[in-house]
Amino acid sequence: RKEVEQDPGPFNVPEGATVAFNCTYSNSASQSFFWYRQDCRKEPKLLMSVYSSGNEDGRFTAQLNRASQYISLLIRDSKLSDSATYLCVVNMESGGSNYKLTFGKGTLLTVNP
Amino acid sequence: DAGITQSPRHKVTETGTPVTLRCHQTENHRYMYWYRQDPGHGLRLIHYSYGVKDTDKGEVSDGYSVSRSKTEDFLLTLESATSSQTSVYFCAISARNEQYFGPGTRLTVT
Repeated sequence: RKEVEQDPGPFNVPEGATVAFNCTYSNSASQSFFWYRQDCRKEPKLLMSVYSSGNEDGRFTAQLNRASQYISLLIRDSKLSDSATYLCVVNMESGGSNYKLTFGKGTLLTVNP
Repeated sequence: DAGITQSPRHKVTETGTPVTLRCHQTENHRYMYWYRQDPGHGLRLIHYSYGVKDTDKGEVSDGYSVSRSKTEDFLLTLESATSSQTSVYFCAISARNEQYFGPGTRLTVT
């Protein structure tokens, strides 16, 4: 099983649509979870950390299901500017303090006018 | 903005030549990282540092060495570049249990 696996995509959605990305991870002892976005030919940028209770930031909602080792990202009311690659990222170190992250391959989202 | 710069931003070099990439940070972060990003792969950790002169290997360290003589600078060296090291290289720092990336260096080995 791959360590961090994401929907392969690509996703093409119209403006205003709701889109969901899913991600699974292999190490049940993982402590920290993140979603990053990466624009073409740019560096990854932190979108949001994912907390056990789930968290929301404007149009973005992240959920964590530890029992199923599953993370999700929901984007509501998609904007053209949301077009990017979304990376699921997990700290696989069981101690949680080493900061070594494992990245999924990313899912490309294109929001169309 | 995490105050991270990388140099050079682009480089073309020939197989067998040594190459050094520099990562510079201005905020005194303890942890620094070097990743490479290639099509079909997620970002992969090459080496990381947890303090001055303290470094460790990552997932894809073969063919790379690093040095950190000052808190603000983390250098990645390809002793003898190969075509398989053509990639985009990102430096990152850790802050508040999150990682922030520099703008990247595009390296082409011909």
